[in-house]
Amino acid sequence: NAGVTQTPKFRILKIGQSMTLQCTQDMNHNYMYWYRQDPGMGLKLIYYSVGAGITDKGEVPNGYNVSRSTTEDFPLRLELAAPSQTSVYFCASREGTDYNEQFFGPGTRLTVL
Amino acid sequence: DQQVKQNSPSLSVQEGRISILNCDYTNSMFDYFLWYKKYPAEGPTFLISISSIKDKNEDGRFTVFLNKSAKHLSLHIVPSQPGDSAVYFCAARGENTGGFKTIFGAGTRLFVKA
Repeated sequence: NAGVTQTPKFRILKIGQSMTLQCTQDMNHNYMYWYRQDPGMGLKLIYYSVGAGITDKGEVPNGYNVSRSTTEDFPLRLELAAPSQTSVYFCASREGTDYNEQFFGPGTRLTVL
Repeated sequence: DQQVKQNSPSLSVQEGRISILNCDYTNSMFDYFLWYKKYPAEGPTFLISISSIKDKNEDGRFTVFLNKSAKHLSLHIVPSQPGDSAVYFCAARGENTGGFKTIFGAGTRLFVKA
């Protein structure tokens, strides 16, 4: 099992550009999550999904969009990049049963200039 | 509104001694607590968890203690090793309230000196 994979690892965007962060998991997990981590801060939940076709907002959804057309994939879309979106983005997944942990991808470091 | 707080940004411990990392929470609906470990340039990895029906859970060198009345949990690492140097995140969620969202603290950076 590859677990949770994320692409790209690094990206530099100009203000106003758009991009999609890819996330794929091969563990057949129902729940998937996108977090961002700013320096010295914890992980802030952007969006989450409890299954294909079902998504919901987390703590900091503004400026982002997601879709979940398959169990495996959960892409995060930035439409108009802003410097405030400079961060490290982590995708995670877990089984849809109680009392279990999330598995995280290696992260995407995004810089918006 | 920080529902999960780790008030110590960093902790330095000598190899072989005990490391104690603390975490406080405010939401009384939380009933499942987790600790994650994160090395630089990697994603967080699960370390240990505890449900609210217990007050202690042990896994090798790692023990988590939960004090529900104080809304406080702690992670003990004994003995500490240089390879334990990492950022440790405390996390919590309410399984009985849907349990979809896991809330993370800001993390504590642990330095274990050889």
